[in-house]
Amino acid sequence: DIVMTQSPDSLAVSLGERATINCKSSQSVFYSSNNKNYLAWYQQKPGQPPKVLISWASTRESGVPDRFSGSGSGTDFTLTISSLQAEDVAVYYCQHYYSTPRTFGQGTKVEIK
Amino acid sequence: EMQLVQSGGVVVQPGGSLRLSCEASGFNFEDHAMHWVRQGPGRRLEWVALIRWDGGETFYADSVEGRFTISRDNSKSSLYLQMNSLRTDDTALYYCVKDKNSWPAEYFHHWGQGTLVTVSS
Repeated sequence: DIVMTQSPDSLAVSLGERATINCKSSQSVFYSSNNKNYLAWYQQKPGQPPKVLISWASTRESGVPDRFSGSGSGTDFTLTISSLQAEDVAVYYCQHYYSTPRTFGQGTKVEIK
Repeated sequence: EMQLVQSGGVVVQPGGSLRLSCEASGFNFEDHAMHWVRQGPGRRLEWVALIRWDGGETFYADSVEGRFTISRDNSKSSLYLQMNSLRTDDTALYYCVKDKNSWPAEYFHHWGQGTLVTVSS
């Protein structure tokens, strides 16, 4: 199984400042045949199901604010919130879809400092 | 508007059985693979099972293989999870999840609100 490890476990950032979350997979999730990284990022607010923010490591889903961006390739990925807003308080998860079983990182809790 | 309406929460004894259901609306159900994902008392998310758009292929997490069965009825736009030989560590919020694609499955595109399953004596 591919193990997904996020860092940090929690993060407190001032409003308007940058938040950066890292995700590392135990093996590459990059398919050279189609040049794609099979990595997604999700946001989960309290009492709600997760919502996909980013797919293919760096493609923002429709309706997701452009302050959210994803980068990385192979085994190392980053989710960046360029200017933290109050409504971004949530737990963020990375997840691979390279193979089954699909696995998630342990989550990173983002709070306001 | 896409909706995945899940059945209500239940309490079941260890060793018992349960069938979860999920009714889809607002999109063409048969155009998408579907998953069950659960979230236990800690916040960790665990993928449980996957079914191809036509039900022709299924995949399971090792933790549920042989005990759980995923199925679908495209004529009813419905997804099911038959859960047998339940254990206390199956206690979790179970999400019905629409995949982005029909096949091969890709990422989790839309989530239901979840069904709380509590396994306790």
